[in-house]
Amino acid sequence: DQQVKQNSPSLSVQEGRISILNCDYTNSMFDYFLWYKKYPAEGPTFLISISSIKDKNEDGRFTVFLNKSAKHLSLHIVPSQPGDSAVYFCAASAGAGNMLTFGGGTRLMVKP
Amino acid sequence: EAEVAQSPRYKITEKSQAVAFWCDPISGHATLYWYRQILGQGPELLVQFQDESVVDDSQLPKDRFSAERLKGVDSTLKIQPAELGDSAMYLCASRVAGVADTQYFGPGTRLTVL
Repeated sequence: DQQVKQNSPSLSVQEGRISILNCDYTNSMFDYFLWYKKYPAEGPTFLISISSIKDKNEDGRFTVFLNKSAKHLSLHIVPSQPGDSAVYFCAASAGAGNMLTFGGGTRLMVKP
Repeated sequence: EAEVAQSPRYKITEKSQAVAFWCDPISGHATLYWYRQILGQGPELLVQFQDESVVDDSQLPKDRFSAERLKGVDSTLKIQPAELGDSAMYLCASRVAGVADTQYFGPGTRLTVL
């Protein structure tokens, strides 16, 4: 039973355009959501997070949107850069300090 | 910038051998996690420590896996005996207790069991 799903295994975007990565969850107890970026042979790097009391959080080129009623979150990257090419994982936790439940990842390719 | 340290970065072993991985969390981070990531999937929690105490090891295959954090700082994850299906990336993460839920990951140990 996958509680966090990323239905697109890959996404290809032209440099300068917007990248939109999507994530769906089923557990209504999740109250904190994060996005991580991962390069091959490295650990995940934290990008941005959002609490369930908010519906949007922005940090530079990265914006995360949360739609609690749809149990859906998305990561927008604007403008996309070739260096953004990596695997992106969304993750969720239920309660402070509890384990993170990860989605399966989406591979983003930004073409020059 | 403080980072989570892990060693070794790569480990190749034969089936039935014992392996051990080490993690040193960011200084001051009381909560430490071990995750396993199989290629093509997201990381899955194996064990969570709060200081030196185990908080959650429900997903740890205890017949062959063990984890300890004796002094509440660094941690060791051991597999004995290793099986072919244990080939994966083993990730350590840490978090400051009482603050937001952001977990910071180390570079991981890539284990290959032959």
